Amino acid sequence: TQLLEQSPQFLSIQEGENLTVYCNSSSVFSSLQWYRQEPGEGPVLLVTVVTGGEVKKLKRLTFQFGDARKDSSLHITAAQPGDTGLYLCAGGFMNRDDKIIFGKGTRLHILP
Amino acid sequence: GAGVSQSPSNKVTEKGKDVELRCDPISGHTALYWYRQSLGQGLEFLIYFQGNSAPDKSGLPSDRFSAERTGGSVSTLTIQRTQQEDSAVYLCASSLGRAGYGYTFGSGTRLTVV
Repeated sequence: TQLLEQSPQFLSIQEGENLTVYCNSSSVFSSLQWYRQEPGEGPVLLVTVVTGGEVKKLKRLTFQFGDARKDSSLHITAAQPGDTGLYLCAGGFMNRDDKIIFGKGTRLHILP
Repeated sequence: GAGVSQSPSNKVTEKGKDVELRCDPISGHTALYWYRQSLGQGLEFLIYFQGNSAPDKSGLPSDRFSAERTGGSVSTLTIQRTQQEDSAVYLCASSLGRAGYGYTFGSGTRLTVV
């Protein structure tokens, strides 16, 4: 059973465009994280959100945690080629806060 | 070191041979995790160590896979009698032990079984 569904799986857009990727689940999470992975490297943590409805901004990236703590979105404004990579969301369980599960990721390609 | 270190970065082995992959976590991180990532896929959980507790081995795909963590620090993932389907990138991560802190990943070991 895939507990974290990410959409879209693949996205290819032109430099300068805006985009949103989604992470959805039927489970409630204690926290939710977004990672970016570039080829040949491990995932790198971008942000952690812990409060329902929380919004965090990291330069051109805006992360939102759903009110019910079951879903999240990542919005990128004016995408740049350097944003290219695999974006993974990961959730921590309410009753098992030491372990997180990962979605399968959204592979983003920004065309120059 | 400042990050999670994995070695070797690349390993090519013949089918049927045993391999050992090493992970050196961030000093002070009590939790250590192994994941497997096949080409173009997400992360598959393998095993998790937390302090002195018994490891969570629920993700190991077969009894050919085992891992140990010595002295609460360095971990070794061993794959016996390797098969071609074991070819993947093996990622190690460490954390302070609570999901909210996030994981720090190493760059992985790319294993190719020929």
